Amino acid sequence: DAGITQSPRHKVTETGTPVTLRCHQTENHRYMYWYRQDPGHGLRLIHYSYGVKDTDKGEVSDGYSVSRSKTEDFLLTLESATSSQTSVYFCAISGAGIEGWTQYFGPGTRLTVL
Amino acid sequence: KQEVTQIPAALSVPEGENLVLNCSFTDSAIYNLQWFRQDPGKGLTSLLLIQSSQREQTSGRLNASLDKSSGRSTLYIAASQPGDSATYLCAASIQGAQKLVFGQGTRLTINP
Repeated sequence: DAGITQSPRHKVTETGTPVTLRCHQTENHRYMYWYRQDPGHGLRLIHYSYGVKDTDKGEVSDGYSVSRSKTEDFLLTLESATSSQTSVYFCAISGAGIEGWTQYFGPGTRLTVL
Repeated sequence: KQEVTQIPAALSVPEGENLVLNCSFTDSAIYNLQWFRQDPGKGLTSLLLIQSSQREQTSGRLNASLDKSSGRSTLYIAASQPGDSATYLCAASIQGAQKLVFGQGTRLTINP
């Protein structure tokens, strides 16, 4: 299994509070991704990173920000959590080039916003 | 906008059968297509990746095909086992190989 950890694994918070989720990899992969998974919507890309300090938006980026100060860490921040952000959040990593585009997923973080 | 569809949403078959899972996508300009499995409460596990220039990929009892012109991919599972029970997701890349659009998955149950 790819070395990807996510923390916390479960979190309950209240509307309006800031929340930061962390993804950590030990594979030295260039690309890192944040997805959310919701019933009826499937998995959707929030943001991704193609290098240290290099990030780009995905399909559902509103209300989320990301940062990557080190190759191994990718942080997802909800500046002011809302109930619509209750979801399961997955981090993924991939290399680059023809042999490297396979994405490997972390175990997920279940976030509940009350 | 790329849309990915998987039909059926759920499938139940007896152990030992060969089966095919379907995935269709609306935009044929993809870089690759990936198949994953997801067990309940777990993350996704990569099964196969097919490059846009390839027609199929095989891994053990799994074979995935890609037909860009018709916007379809299939995942063939041979000699199914109860341990194959999971949700299977396909994902097509867009705007570069790194951005994936997922289907909603097919929940597969293999009955002993």
